Amino acid sequence: NAGVTQTPKFQVLKTGQSMTLQCAQDMNHEYMSWYRQDPGMGLRLIHYSVGAGITDQGEVPNGYNVSRSTTEDFPLRLLSAAPSQTSVYFCASSYSTSGSHEQYFGPGTRLTVT
Amino acid sequence: QQPVQSPQAVILREGEDAVINCSSSKALYSVHWYRQKHGEAPVFLMILLKGGEQKGHEKISASFNEKKQQSSLYLTASQLSYSGTYFCGPRSGAGSYQLTFGKGTKLSVIP
Repeated sequence: NAGVTQTPKFQVLKTGQSMTLQCAQDMNHEYMSWYRQDPGMGLRLIHYSVGAGITDQGEVPNGYNVSRSTTEDFPLRLLSAAPSQTSVYFCASSYSTSGSHEQYFGPGTRLTVT
Repeated sequence: QQPVQSPQAVILREGEDAVINCSSSKALYSVHWYRQKHGEAPVFLMILLKGGEQKGHEKISASFNEKKQQSSLYLTASQLSYSGTYFCGPRSGAGSYQLTFGKGTKLSVIP
């Protein structure tokens, strides 16, 4: 199993540009989520999904869209990039075994918006 | 609202012990603990479930006080490999899938 994969690893955008961060998992996990990590702020939840066709907002959803058409894929779209979206983005997936929801993280995407 | 972790940072010599605390303002169903090494993704360490079930990892253990809405992570006889940032991630209910992570505790173990 490849686990959770993310592409690209690095990306530089200009203000106003749009792009999609890709996330895929091959573990048949129901739950997937996107976090952003900024220095001193920990991991903050952007959006999450509990299954194909079902998504919901996390703590910091503004400026981001998601969709979940398949169990495997959970892309994150930046509609109009802003410097405040410069961050490291992590995708994670989990399954529920006895309520544990242990999360598996992808390697991350480092995004810089100039 | 993010849980509060303390301390924010700690430096240990090899073999010393450390405790990392996590406090939440919400009632808790379970608490996850993750470790992140520099430049890498967070990795799951353990979970503590309401009712006392827990899993351990190497020489790292944890406690969960449901009434106080607190969890503590205990690292004993620290090794250089323990260095990293530790995050707690409480869940508020069995049907609540999302984790709200704390800001992290940076642990540095020196020879």
